[in-house]
Amino acid sequence: DGGITQSPKYLFRKEGQNVTLSCEQNLNHDAMYWYRQDPGQGLRLIYYSQIVNDFQKGDIAEGYSVSREKKESFPLTVTSAQKNPTAFYLCATSTGANTGELFFGEGSRLTVL
Amino acid sequence: AQKITQTQPGMFVQEKEAVTLDCTYDTSDPSYGLFWYKQPSSGEMIFLIYQGSYDQQNATEGRYSLNFQKARKSANLVISASQLGDSAMYFCAMREGLNFGNEKLTFGTGTRLTIIP
Repeated sequence: DGGITQSPKYLFRKEGQNVTLSCEQNLNHDAMYWYRQDPGQGLRLIYYSQIVNDFQKGDIAEGYSVSREKKESFPLTVTSAQKNPTAFYLCATSTGANTGELFFGEGSRLTVL
Repeated sequence: AQKITQTQPGMFVQEKEAVTLDCTYDTSDPSYGLFWYKQPSSGEMIFLIYQGSYDQQNATEGRYSLNFQKARKSANLVISASQLGDSAMYFCAMREGLNFGNEKLTFGTGTRLTIIP
């Protein structure tokens, strides 16, 4: 099936540990994005990548890192420098065509204990 | 300054009634796109409808229509004949510019819609 796969769906970590969230897509879309969602708030952009081996900071990049070594993959690392990492993380892709809507994965819920 | 404002944190609507979800936006870019997404309790974001700033007519997709009032910077979502499955969070979002391939969207805080049987 074509789509965006995020894993793990739920993740628990201790404070001070780095954690990596996976995002894989087989839609052949060029652009990929990471958003963070907190309760009662909208989505905020962390990082985005328009092409392999290139990525840009979004509005809340501090404490996060990404890589884009393959078109299909855009992993997000939540580092120990991120002060409030507990959140719902959504990965998205876009084709760059038509209306330019984003296609989203099912999300990963990270809880830091 | 907040670019997307959704002033209704929650709404309750009787099944089969129409519902309007409010969204106002702020941008100085003459080229922009407006989106509505639905987020059920499962968490995934579902694209509903799009309106471009140069589109002459209001966008429609099945039971969804977008009431676009450019001068008022308003992009309200109208759902006709609401169904129980419409219960979800709804987010308004905006892309500034028409730089396709760089779809950075700015989202509002959302409206939680509950349909009452």
